[in-house]
Amino acid sequence: KQEVTQIPAALSVPEGENLVLNCSFTDSAIYNLQWFRQDPGKGLTSLLLIQSSQREQTSGRLNASLDKSSGRSTLYIAASQPGDSATYLCAVRLDAGGTSYGKLTFGQGTILTVHP
Amino acid sequence: KAGVTQTPRYLIKTRGQQVTLSCSPISGHRSVSWYQQTPGQGLQFLFEYFSETQRNKGNFPGRFSGRQFSNSRSEMNVSTLELGDSALYLCASSLALTGAEAFFGQGTRLTVV
Repeated sequence: KQEVTQIPAALSVPEGENLVLNCSFTDSAIYNLQWFRQDPGKGLTSLLLIQSSQREQTSGRLNASLDKSSGRSTLYIAASQPGDSATYLCAVRLDAGGTSYGKLTFGQGTILTVHP
Repeated sequence: KAGVTQTPRYLIKTRGQQVTLSCSPISGHRSVSWYQQTPGQGLQFLFEYFSETQRNKGNFPGRFSGRQFSNSRSEMNVSTLELGDSALYLCASSLALTGAEAFFGQGTRLTVV
């Protein structure tokens, strides 16, 4: 059974800091990994999608890396801003023999607070 | 381009009642998945539909069911509601069944009293 763990559970940083969020998964046979952010009471916003054949993806101040063999991904946020405050979730899609289906297995999330 | 639309946004129901939630995926997306989010369990997969067929199902009781229509819109139904069914129900749509990016709606907040 795939299990996804995110560390730390919560993080509070001053504005301007660079920070790293960690995600680990137990079954390395994944099809892809996706990072999301969730604002309180809202849905999920997709940040980055990394296919299993890729090592990293970048979007603006965000960079996500994937090490499938060790079952780890990191989300790097550069020059953090108060607007980055949210819960960050990683989710993996299992590789079921060349097809993935839609099921995403989520971590519990990291609650990020960036204070001015 | 419109995103994933879920209706209604909020619902209050009484124990024992049933409820139907609706999800309209992004235009052109044929895969729709449903998730339940609670503070204790986090995000749990309910089921996934592709081309009107259920392709995958999570570990939920039979009171939870769903369907997908020919226009890819999906509904999920919960019968005989229990207090523990109170949650945020999220719908995700994807362009294809395999490996595509998932886009989520704003969710339906269900409260069972």
